[in-house]
Amino acid sequence: QKEVEQNSGPLSVPEGAIASLNCTYSDRGSQSFFWYRQYSGKSPELIMSIYSNGDKEDGRFTAQLNKASQYVSLLIRDSQPSDSATYLCAVNWEAAGNKLTFGGGTRVLVKP
Amino acid sequence: DAGVIQSPRHEVTEMGQEVTLRCKPISGHDYLFWYRQTMMRGLELLIYFNNNVPIDDSGMPEDRFSAKMPNASFSTLKIQPSEPRDSAVYFCASSFRQGRRYFGPGTRLLVL
Repeated sequence: QKEVEQNSGPLSVPEGAIASLNCTYSDRGSQSFFWYRQYSGKSPELIMSIYSNGDKEDGRFTAQLNKASQYVSLLIRDSQPSDSATYLCAVNWEAAGNKLTFGGGTRVLVKP
Repeated sequence: DAGVIQSPRHEVTEMGQEVTLRCKPISGHDYLFWYRQTMMRGLELLIYFNNNVPIDDSGMPEDRFSAKMPNASFSTLKIQPSEPRDSAVYFCASSFRQGRRYFGPGTRLLVL
């Protein structure tokens, strides 16, 4: 089992709808969680971080964490064509020396 | 700030040749990371430095790969000899105190 798993997609979403991305991870004790966005041919950029159970909202993005289920998700509300990108889930395990481990990414396509 | 700077942006070489990738981190950052991204394996951490000292090189695929950080503003990743399976995008990232990673634009390496 991979340490951080994501559905590779593509996830096709109509403009204005909600895109829901999921990520599961292996439990290794204390950890923190991040969502990166990567446009084609570009480098990853951080869009959200979450450290405790529950929801965290930032503009049109909401990150949700459920440590008991080893599950972190990202919701993109009012999806825009400019949201079309690959979204990478990343987990930082303190016990593993704070090495950030990335999932394979979910490709999102927002159709006008 | 100019962000993380990487050179070259593209490199095409023949199998067996030496390849050197370069990185200039963001001024003031004390951590530097080298990642490799491929379709098959996603984004993998190769090695990271703290205050110019290599901390964890467990992700370096084999002895053909080596990395140095002679000072706080410069790092190199060298592949000697290069092989076609080394073809990938290599990202350098930096951070302050293991915080948010800022990625450079990447070097696209093609080994023929």
